[in-house]
Amino acid sequence: DVKVTQSSRYLVKRTGEKVFLECVQDMDHENMFWYRQDPGLGLRLIYFSYDVKMKEKGDIPEGYSVSREKKERFSLILESASTNQTSMYLCASSSPGQGDEQYFGPGTRLTVT
Amino acid sequence: RKEVEQDPGPFNVPEGATVAFNCTYSNSASQSFFWYRQDCRKEPKLLMSVYSSGNEDGRFTAQLNRASQYISLLIRDSKLSDSATYLCVVNMKATYKYIFGTGTRLKVLA
Repeated sequence: DVKVTQSSRYLVKRTGEKVFLECVQDMDHENMFWYRQDPGLGLRLIYFSYDVKMKEKGDIPEGYSVSREKKERFSLILESASTNQTSMYLCASSSPGQGDEQYFGPGTRLTVT
Repeated sequence: RKEVEQDPGPFNVPEGATVAFNCTYSNSASQSFFWYRQDCRKEPKLLMSVYSSGNEDGRFTAQLNRASQYISLLIRDSKLSDSATYLCVVNMKATYKYIFGTGTRLKVLA
């Protein structure tokens, strides 16, 4: 079974703090993704990576950065958290050689106060 | 027009009923199609991939109609545990991009 884990299920941070969200997958997937999900807006892609040290902006990259130093790990960084970044953050991975299906981590519910 | 559109529902159906959802997509270059299930405050979980020839997994059947650009999900003999939001997802392989619908909410009633 594919397993995608995220470092925290719930996180509360203050405005202006730097926030790190980590994601690890154990299936040797090439592609990894960070989404946020908000009511009525569905899943929106923040960043994705198709290889180590490679990253591409998604639809809403502003205020975020990412890091992929190892194939299994993809980190999302909020440089200076703001209240409009309160959301559910979902990490996913996929492999073009394994059917293209995305597998999601359990999510991190981030609240910025 | 949204790239992937779903009726948000909710679809309220009695146990044992058959229910069908459709999802339309706008980009004819779409290559891969999926249905995911998402429970409240949980992550999306893959329900099934949708193949050109259609596919079935137990009580669930998925169909793809490329000419009309829609996919469908049929659930037979609905169970209470089928209550969830069903997300339609379309993949544009060349761009690594997955487009998600906003989901259709299903409530199966006792």
